[in-house]
Amino acid sequence: NAGVMQNPRHLVRRRGQEARLRCSPMKGHSHVYWYRQLPEEGLKFMVYLQKENIIDESGMPKERFSAEFPKEGPSILRIQQVVRGDSAAYFCASSPSDPNRNTIYFGEGSWLTVV
Amino acid sequence: ELKVEQNPLFLSMQEGKNYTIYCNYSTTSDRLYWYRQDPGKSLESLFVLLSNGAVKQEGRLMASLDTKARLSTLHITAAVHDLSATYFCAVDLESGSEKLVFGKGTKLTVNP
Repeated sequence: NAGVMQNPRHLVRRRGQEARLRCSPMKGHSHVYWYRQLPEEGLKFMVYLQKENIIDESGMPKERFSAEFPKEGPSILRIQQVVRGDSAAYFCASSPSDPNRNTIYFGEGSWLTVV
Repeated sequence: ELKVEQNPLFLSMQEGKNYTIYCNYSTTSDRLYWYRQDPGKSLESLFVLLSNGAVKQEGRLMASLDTKARLSTLHITAAVHDLSATYFCAVDLESGSEKLVFGKGTKLTVNP
């Protein structure tokens, strides 16, 4: 039973390029969350998605960032025209649809470095 | 806005000693989580605390929750080097949403 799978684990981009981070939730999980961790900081919520729907994107920067969770395939966090301040670890998490499960599982993270 | 504050942010202790990490949060929440993170790694779930007075123990770590005081503690007993890591508490912002607000983390170093 694979856990939450993220790729790539490490990504280097030059300023102005695009970064695409992928997340496959645990089997049977329909809820996906993206969090960002800046160096020496805790994780900060970015967006919450269910299949084909963005439920809450209150933590997403207004520009350059977008997320999707299509009917088929992984969730994707897309950062356009990256800047140095986007360098961070991006964690995906998933949870089952049953709200009583009280469980959220994190992936291994994707470390983005913008040079 | 929900705020989660941990203290201390840095903790250096000797093996065999006891210590407590504190986590305060600013508004009512149903659930509190403790995570461990090693450098360059993901978060490892340690405890989920669901109710007032909840106490959970795993090995040398014990976590408790006081919802009235909006305070959780993570107590370390007889620390060993392997416990060196960063420990985060997180609070559920909206009931059932799994939308978590994290503290800044406590970087624990256990010295031989």
